[in-house]
Amino acid sequence: ETGVTQTPRHLVMGMTNKKSLKCEQHLGHNAMYWYKQSAKKPLELMFVYNFKEQTENNSVPSRFSPECPNSSHLFLHLHTLQPEDSALYLCASSQEQNQPQHFGDGTRLSIL
Amino acid sequence: SQQGEEDPQALSIQEGENATMNCSYKTSINNLQWYRQNSGRGLVHLILIRSNEREKHSGRLRVTLDTSKKSSSLLITASRAADTASYFCAEEGNKLVFGAGTILRVKS
Repeated sequence: ETGVTQTPRHLVMGMTNKKSLKCEQHLGHNAMYWYKQSAKKPLELMFVYNFKEQTENNSVPSRFSPECPNSSHLFLHLHTLQPEDSALYLCASSQEQNQPQHFGDGTRLSIL
Repeated sequence: SQQGEEDPQALSIQEGENATMNCSYKTSINNLQWYRQNSGRGLVHLILIRSNEREKHSGRLRVTLDTSKKSSSLLITASRAADTASYFCAEEGNKLVFGAGTILRVKS
């Protein structure tokens, strides 16, 4: 166990659906991250939260909407996604921003 | 682009052999980190080397850093089948930027 739990592990949705990905960390960390991992592409940083405040939005389309209600939980709300959004979405946390990160096992998202 | 590049993209070796993976990066860094990712799992942090360090060891792992060449290498000695995974370097500047990774396969 890495101390970072992501749910669901797999998600299939249509382009018109709305769904949310959840991440929870039990490590007492202050920073949390969302990444997108597509086949044969480097890991893409999407969002960073530090002490519940968003500190990085890496030009992510507005159909992805993050939410960080407290330092232990991070959500990624999805709506009107495109087929190219199919990927593995990874959540990570670290004690402080940019320190070694602990990753969850990801949500495998498939857009029909 | 800040993204580093790993070399080779894929590596296949026999159990017991050493595996060396290289990483090049483009910008000035504070630290450089290495991660491993097993199939279907998240990344696991392996080792961090600071910009003022040249070499660091952790068990069977040895990492070197050459800031003049903007490059780092990860050496896994006496490899095992369980070392089969993807390995990523991540350059730490004002944010952490991951490379594309090296896929390592250790055959038993």
